[in-house]
Amino acid sequence: AQSVAQPEDQVNVAEGNPLTVKCTYSVSGNPYLFWYVQYPNRGLQFLLKYITGDNLVKGSYGFEAEFNKSQTSFHLKKPSALVSDSALYFCAVRALNSGYSTLTFGKGTMLLVSP
Amino acid sequence: DSGVTQTPKHLITATGQRVTLRCSPRSGDLSVYWYQQSLDQGLQFLIQYYNGEERAKGNILERFSAQQFPDLHSELNLSSLELGDSALYFCASSLDTGIGANVLTFGAGSRLTVL
Repeated sequence: AQSVAQPEDQVNVAEGNPLTVKCTYSVSGNPYLFWYVQYPNRGLQFLLKYITGDNLVKGSYGFEAEFNKSQTSFHLKKPSALVSDSALYFCAVRALNSGYSTLTFGKGTMLLVSP
Repeated sequence: DSGVTQTPKHLITATGQRVTLRCSPRSGDLSVYWYQQSLDQGLQFLIQYYNGEERAKGNILERFSAQQFPDLHSELNLSSLELGDSALYFCASSLDTGIGANVLTFGAGSRLTVL
C-alpha cells in the first residue's frame, strides 16, 4: 500500500518570505512523487514531479521540491511567496513499477499568503 | 482551460435520487479517472478507465458505477444518493494507462449537493 501525509492543514506566510509545505510518503520501493495545486473553484493543476536523479526538482511558478529518501519526504518550497500563491496544495505518490497502482493524494495543505 | 470538460458544474438533488456526471478527456488522452473530494475524506480515487476498459478501482461504493464510451468520454452514475455523497467529483485524464510518472490533467469538477 502507498500513502501520503501532509501534516499541516494550513500554512501561513507573509508575502516575500520563503514557504515550505511538508509531505511525507510511504511506498514499497522507489516512488514517483508529485505536487498539484488547486485554486478556488478550479481543478487540480500539476506543479512538479520527481522521478529519479537530482533531489531538487524545479516546477511551475517558481516552486521547487526536495526529495529526501532517508526521511521519505518531498517538501514543496518557494524562496519568496506571493499572495497569488494562496491555494490548496496536494502531494501525491505512485510506486515505481507498481503495475496499475493509482496515484494516491494527501489530504491537502491550505497555503495562505498575507500581503 | 485544462482540456478536460466536466458537466454539470453544479447539481442539487434529493436523497434517494440518481445522477449522472459526464467527462470528456483532453484530446488524445485514453485514460479517464474519477476522484471524489470532500472535506473529511480529502481526495479519494474512485475508478479508472483506459480505452474503454476498467483499469483500476478504488474506494467506489456499490451504488456508484462508471463507464467509458468508444468516443472516450466517461460517465459516473451515482444512485440511491445519501447526504454523505455531497462532494466535488473530479475527472482527470492521461495519455496512457497512468503507470509511472505520467501527469494527470484535471477537469474543473462537478459539485453535487444532496439535500
